[in-house]
Amino acid sequence: DGGITQSPKYLFRKEGQNVTLSCEQNLNHDAMYWYRQDPGQGLRLIYYSQIVNDFQKGDIAEGYSVSREKKESFPLTVTSAQKNPTAFYLCASSIGGGEYQPQHFGDGTRLSIL
Amino acid sequence: RKEVEQDPGPFNVPEGATVAFNCTYSNSASQSFFWYRQDCRKEPKLLMSVYSSGNEDGRFTAQLNRASQYISLLIRDSKLSDSATYLCVVNANTGNQFYFGTGTSLTVIP
Repeated sequence: DGGITQSPKYLFRKEGQNVTLSCEQNLNHDAMYWYRQDPGQGLRLIYYSQIVNDFQKGDIAEGYSVSREKKESFPLTVTSAQKNPTAFYLCASSIGGGEYQPQHFGDGTRLSIL
Repeated sequence: RKEVEQDPGPFNVPEGATVAFNCTYSNSASQSFFWYRQDCRKEPKLLMSVYSSGNEDGRFTAQLNRASQYISLLIRDSKLSDSATYLCVVNANTGNQFYFGTGTSLTVIP
């Protein structure tokens, strides 16, 4: 089954703690993305990566970090510098490489502060 | 100006009604366009891609008007299961960036 897997589904963060959200895809897509969605709001881009070992900041990158060491994986770390981390985090991928194909999403991680 | 703008609604329509959503985009060089459906507390799922000639998938019809820079989604014979938020998405030509509207909420009433 091809798809995007996010884990965990639910995550709780203590004050001052860094947490990492996992995103893995087996679609052989080049491009991967992280979005944040707050209740009743649209999706906001945190980071995106078009190829391995390269990534770009999105609109709200402050307090977050990413890595892209493998094509299949694009983990997101929510650092203690992110003061309002409670949100629904969505990972997506697309074929990339200049092909204007749609994104496919994982089923998300809900992060809350303890 | 936002890249993509949608009327947030909410749209409350009776079963069997026809409902249409519009979405405008600001970048005239945008290359591809999509409608996604998002159920409450779930991830967005691709509903349709939107092609220049317009395209239909069952009860759903999508159209693109490049001159006026808007796309539309028409749902005929609404079902209770169509209740969701519909997201308009535009892919710019600046390298794999996707721009999302804030979504239009639809509730189909029995």
